[in-house]
Amino acid sequence: QKEVEQNSGPLSVPEGAIASLNCTYSDRGSQSFFWYRQYSGKSPELIMFIYSNGDKEDGRFTAQLNKASQYVSLLIRDSQPSDSATYLCAVIKAAGNKLTFGGGTRVLVKP
Amino acid sequence: DAGVIQSPRHEVTEMGQEVTLRCKPISGHDYLFWYRQTMMRGLELLIYFNNNVPIDDSGMPEDRFSAKMPNASFSTLKIQPSEPRDSAVYFCATGQGNSNQPQHFGDGTRLSIL
Repeated sequence: QKEVEQNSGPLSVPEGAIASLNCTYSDRGSQSFFWYRQYSGKSPELIMFIYSNGDKEDGRFTAQLNKASQYVSLLIRDSQPSDSATYLCAVIKAAGNKLTFGGGTRVLVKP
Repeated sequence: DAGVIQSPRHEVTEMGQEVTLRCKPISGHDYLFWYRQTMMRGLELLIYFNNNVPIDDSGMPEDRFSAKMPNASFSTLKIQPSEPRDSAVYFCATGQGNSNQPQHFGDGTRLSIL
């Protein structure tokens, strides 16, 4: 089992719809959770981070954390073609300070 | 804010040559991380520093890889001798305060070993 798992996709959504991305992690003691967006040929760019159970909203993005079920999700509302990218989930485990990345989910927003 | 600055952006060299990648962190950031990204293995942490001191180098693949941070403004990742399997994009990222804070990535160095 990978430490941080994501569906590789591609997740295809029509423009204006909600894109829902999921991420599961294996270390129950993980404390910090991050979502990065990476366009092809570019570096990862931080979108959201969340530390506490529940929802955190920032513009069209909402991160959801459920520590009991060990998953974190990202919702993208009103998806735009410019949201087409790979979204990386990253977790800092309880023991140590390493940021462990999932393999990423590729999102395609079709006009 | 200039962001994390990496050089070179692209490097093509023959196997057996020494390769040096450079990173200038965001001013005031006391954590610095080196990552490698490939299609097969995704984004992997190689080593990270706190206040110029290496904290965890367990991700460094083998002795051919070494990293230094001589001061708060500069870090290098060196591969000697280089091999074709080292071909990847290498990212430097920095963070502030503690390692639980978000990390900000440089543009990366695309390395090709022939």
